[in-house]
Amino acid sequence: QSVLTQPPSASGTPGQRVTISCSGSSSNIESNAVSWYQQLPGTAPKLLIYNNNQRPSGVPDRFSGSKSGASASLAISGLQSEDEADYYCAAWDDSLNGLFGTGTKVTVL
Amino acid sequence: EVQLVESGGGLVKPGGSLRLSCAASGFTFTNAWMTWVRQAPGKGLEWVGRIKSKTDGGTADYAAPVKGRITISRDDSKSTLDLQMNSLRTEDTAIYYCTTDPVGYYGGTVWGQGTLVTVSS
Repeated sequence: QSVLTQPPSASGTPGQRVTISCSGSSSNIESNAVSWYQQLPGTAPKLLIYNNNQRPSGVPDRFSGSKSGASASLAISGLQSEDEADYYCAAWDDSLNGLFGTGTKVTVL
Repeated sequence: EVQLVESGGGLVKPGGSLRLSCAASGFTFTNAWMTWVRQAPGKGLEWVGRIKSKTDGGTADYAAPVKGRITISRDDSKSTLDLQMNSLRTEDTAIYYCTTDPVGYYGGTVWGQGTLVTVSS
């Protein structure tokens, strides 16, 4: 089964820029839209980015997404304490299966 | 208010069955592709399956670990989404969320609060 691979952790001090990668393949990220989700402890995921780089209304512009080939990235600029959470990428796989990334825990030092 | 509310979770023995429901409100459910996502304790998100809108065929796709054991259905007249789970295993223990299509073009904009399913003897 296909997998979207993320680093297990990332960290930064307040105000810094943190980038999270999401590595996939030609059957998922390269050929389909990528979404990103933030999950705070004990809560449901929240959509941060859709269609690779689009932000829903209400999501701060500190969050940005990009995609190149079979990889995608989420950048958090001006890191804030409330950004401490788990982050997941997601994409459809052409094998008729949805995929979530392995997840990245962001710590604000 | 846009909302999804899951119900039906609980404790079930291995090999048993359980039916989860998700009630939608505040958006046009008929047009939405709906998905079930689960999260085992301390683990990441796992896509379980989705059902397309009736206008797009109404068919369902399932993840390999649950294929053949689950059925996703929808009742557009009641704006409800169901997940019938059979032959449950301990590894099916998780919080189950319903959401709009999280891997589609627009992403999963609406999520329920989740319902906990525990499979244990």
